[in-house]
Amino acid sequence: EAGVAQSPRYKIIEKRQSVAFWCNPISGHATLYWYQQILGQGPKLLIQFQNNGVVDDSQLPKDRFSAERLKGVDSTLKIQPAKLEDSAVYLCASSSTDSNQPQHFGDGTRLSIL
Amino acid sequence: GQQVMQIPQYQHVQEGEDFTTYCNSSTTLSNIQWYKQRPGGHPVFLIQLVKSGEVKKQKRLTFQFGEAKKNSSLHITATQTTDVGTYFCAGRGSGGFKTIFGAGTRLFVKA
Repeated sequence: EAGVAQSPRYKIIEKRQSVAFWCNPISGHATLYWYQQILGQGPKLLIQFQNNGVVDDSQLPKDRFSAERLKGVDSTLKIQPAKLEDSAVYLCASSSTDSNQPQHFGDGTRLSIL
Repeated sequence: GQQVMQIPQYQHVQEGEDFTTYCNSSTTLSNIQWYKQRPGGHPVFLIQLVKSGEVKKQKRLTFQFGEAKKNSSLHITATQTTDVGTYFCAGRGSGGFKTIFGAGTRLFVKA
């Protein structure tokens, strides 16, 4: 089966600019996750969708980050405006039903803020 | 809130030596998952433990879930250079929906 697809792979922007990431989960997977992974740390959950509804977004900085999963399939994560501390790898993952199932990760988007 | 802690942060071993990483949760877990992330790669699912005291093996890897379902360990016997990477535990709290990742243990193997 095709894996989780993410784009772009790399993005370099200046602070205060906007950026968007795209994720296409494994076909049929109901749950989609966005994680932020800062170098040397574990993935930090930003938002979790179950189909097109939000299950958890408690760690999403809502003043600058937004995410949507229209139609319960692919998803976009946006940062506006970006700050220096947003430099990280943004990982998208999906699982078939919920977090009781293995998560399958995409290759991530490496974001650098200048 | 729920926290998942892993030790050690780093481990350097000679090829052929054993390796163990430990994971501790501040709350009781409904399950714990283990992932491996190679340098420059993304986390890859290894295994999930659900039952109290559960032990599972995958070739040279042995995974344990504590009796109280608050801790877990991953043990690698006779490490190989292909074992290099960061090992993460990820725990889902009882009654919760989300999985919290530990900070990971980075394994270095010297040939």
